[in-house]
Amino acid sequence: ETGVTQTPRHLVMGMTNKKSLKCEQHLGHNAMYWYKQSAKKPLELMFVYSLEERVENNSVPSRFSPECPNSSHLFLHLHTLQPEDSALYLCASSQDLVAGGTSTDTQYFGPGTRLTVL
Amino acid sequence: AQSVAQPEDQVNVAEGNPLTVKCTYSVSGNPYLFWYVQYPNRGLQFLLKYITGDNLVKGSYGFEAEFNKSQTSFHLKKPSALVSDSALYFCAVSASSGGSYIPTFGRGTSLIVHP
Repeated sequence: ETGVTQTPRHLVMGMTNKKSLKCEQHLGHNAMYWYKQSAKKPLELMFVYSLEERVENNSVPSRFSPECPNSSHLFLHLHTLQPEDSALYLCASSQDLVAGGTSTDTQYFGPGTRLTVL
Repeated sequence: AQSVAQPEDQVNVAEGNPLTVKCTYSVSGNPYLFWYVQYPNRGLQFLLKYITGDNLVKGSYGFEAEFNKSQTSFHLKKPSALVSDSALYFCAVSASSGGSYIPTFGRGTSLIVHP
């Protein structure tokens, strides 16, 4: 087990729904990430938090809203999604991430949430 | 901007034969290179990484990878494939100053090992 858990594992929602994805890491790490995984595309970085501060936002549509209340928990709030947002959403953590520094730390991934938008 | 190319969507190999999964990268500064594996319905799991030192890196489950700076490559290899190695493999790169400190991933290569 990787020490990173995600709930729910599967989610089906309509375009007008509001839902949230939850990620929790039990590794004592300081950095957490959201990725979007679509078939045959590079893993797409969405958001990065280091010590509960957002350090990266890769031009993600505002219908995705992250929240990091503490270094162990990360949420992704979803509202008015589109069918093309259907994908596997992966959460990851790493020990540290220092802006302008280097990142040689291994990332630990959760199992993902399979999201289907109808 | 840094990038990773995994030129093969799928690699097929017979059990017991050697396997290679290719990865090339483009980055400013010194690269830090990673391989991860994803089994069905699971998240990515770390296999190995190159930070500095010996160009040949050994990792989990008998996998190894060779860093080749002149060819900007970091191919994943295993001398004898197992059916249980069948999975999706991702290469990733981050960099020292001049590049992005957050890893950039490739699109993944599906490895299928036939009995």
